[in-house]
Amino acid sequence: IQLTQSPSSLSASVGDRVTITCRASQGISNYLAWYQQKPGKAPKLLIYAASTLQSGVPSRFSGSGSGTDFTLTISSLQPEDLAAYYCQQLNSYPYTFGQGTKLEI
Amino acid sequence: QVRLVESGGGLVKTGGSLRLSCAASGFTFSDYYMSWIRQAPGKGLEWISFISSSGNTIYYADSVEGRFTVSRDNAQNSLYLQMNSLRPEDAAVYYCARGGGGNDYWGQGTLVTVSS
Repeated sequence: IQLTQSPSSLSASVGDRVTITCRASQGISNYLAWYQQKPGKAPKLLIYAASTLQSGVPSRFSGSGSGTDFTLTISSLQPEDLAAYYCQQLNSYPYTFGQGTKLEI
Repeated sequence: QVRLVESGGGLVKTGGSLRLSCAASGFTFSDYYMSWIRQAPGKGLEWISFISSSGNTIYYADSVEGRFTVSRDNAQNSLYLQMNSLRPEDAAVYYCARGGGGNDYWGQGTLVTVSS
C-alpha cells in the first residue's frame, strides 16, 4: 500500500491553521497513524486509528479520514511544531510510511 | 519510564554484517510487539521489520527480506536485528520501536554506515 502526502513542504506562520493530507493507494479503513519528527530526534506518535490523539499530545493536533483520504490538522500553529510529519498505514504489512511533510514556521 | 536503547551500529563494508541490539526497560517487554524502522540520511522513514511478542510471527520489508533477521530475547528484554549482505542503500539510522505499528515509544537510533 502506497501513501502519498501533500504538500511535501509547507511554510506557515504562528497561529495559522495547517492541514496535511495523506492518500492511500487502496482503502485502509481507519488504520492510519501520524508522527511528528523534530530535527535530530526520533519520531513521536501523535495520532492513531486516524483520529485518536495519543496521550500527552496537545489538543491543537487532530486527525480525520477513513478509507483512502486522511488529514492531520494543527489548529493554531506554535513555534515548537517545526518538524517533519509522517503518516503510516497499519492495515497490512509492510506498514508503509508516507514520504513526509516538512513544516517550516 | 519506558526506555529503548539501540546499539551495534557502525561502519561496515559492502557485503558485510552487523548485529543491532535494542535494550528495553520500564515496561513488560514480553507483552509487546516490536518493530525496526530506519531512516536514510536526509530521507523519510522506512518500516523494515516486525516481531510478535512471542517471536513466532515476523514480517520484513521486501528491501531486506532474506538479508536481515529479527529476533528477541524476552528474558533479557532485548530485541535484535542481524543484518547480512549489507548494501550502500542500507546506510541509515535504525530505530527500534514499541508496538507493531502506531509505535508509541522509540529509541534514539543507531547509525549504520556502509562503505563500498
